[in-house]
Amino acid sequence: DAGITQSPRYKITETGRQVTLMCHQTWSHSYMFWYRQDLGHGLRLIYYSAAADITDKGEVPDGYVVSRSKTENFPLTLESATRSQTSVYFCASSDPGTDYGYTFGSGTRLTVV
Amino acid sequence: QKEVEQDPGPLSVPEGAIVSLNCTYSNSAFQYFMWYRQYSRKGPELLMYTYSSGNKEDGRFTAQVDKSSKYISLFIRDSQPSDSATYLCALRGDTGRRALTFGSGTRLQVQP
Repeated sequence: DAGITQSPRYKITETGRQVTLMCHQTWSHSYMFWYRQDLGHGLRLIYYSAAADITDKGEVPDGYVVSRSKTENFPLTLESATRSQTSVYFCASSDPGTDYGYTFGSGTRLTVV
Repeated sequence: QKEVEQDPGPLSVPEGAIVSLNCTYSNSAFQYFMWYRQYSRKGPELLMYTYSSGNKEDGRFTAQVDKSSKYISLFIRDSQPSDSATYLCALRGDTGRRALTFGSGTRLQVQP
């Protein structure tokens, strides 16, 4: 199916554990993004990628690591999860050929206990 | 101070009302202005977009941008219960990274 998919949809993990959130898109969009959404803050940019092997920090990158070895995948890793990283995480992709074409995944709801 | 400010609401209106949603911003480099709608436990979906100043209309929705005041608005006419959602403004500049900067979102409830 064409689109952008995130997995898992829900995840509960313990403080200090490493956890990876997956994002896969089928359009070959060059740009991909990770946002987190918290009450009162809207969506805040964690990391973004302009192409395979090109990534850069966003507004709230501390505690997160990304990689992009293939255009279609953009995993987000929490190296040592903390309770402050409890949030809903959204992945998005964008085609540089359009100015407004941003498509979001359905989100991963992560709880760190 | 946040780059983009948006009243979180909640905003509750009766069916058929005209709804006005607003954002203010501080960065004059923003050139692209979008409104996203987000239903509960779903990802944001693009609703309206404009470039630079002016108005844009699409059905019951009108987006307005006033760059001189750094103020953007979304109007919903004849609001319906199905419009109940969170509305997020999103902005970006013309150069550099393509990442969007979001407002915190306004939760709208349209009462039947």
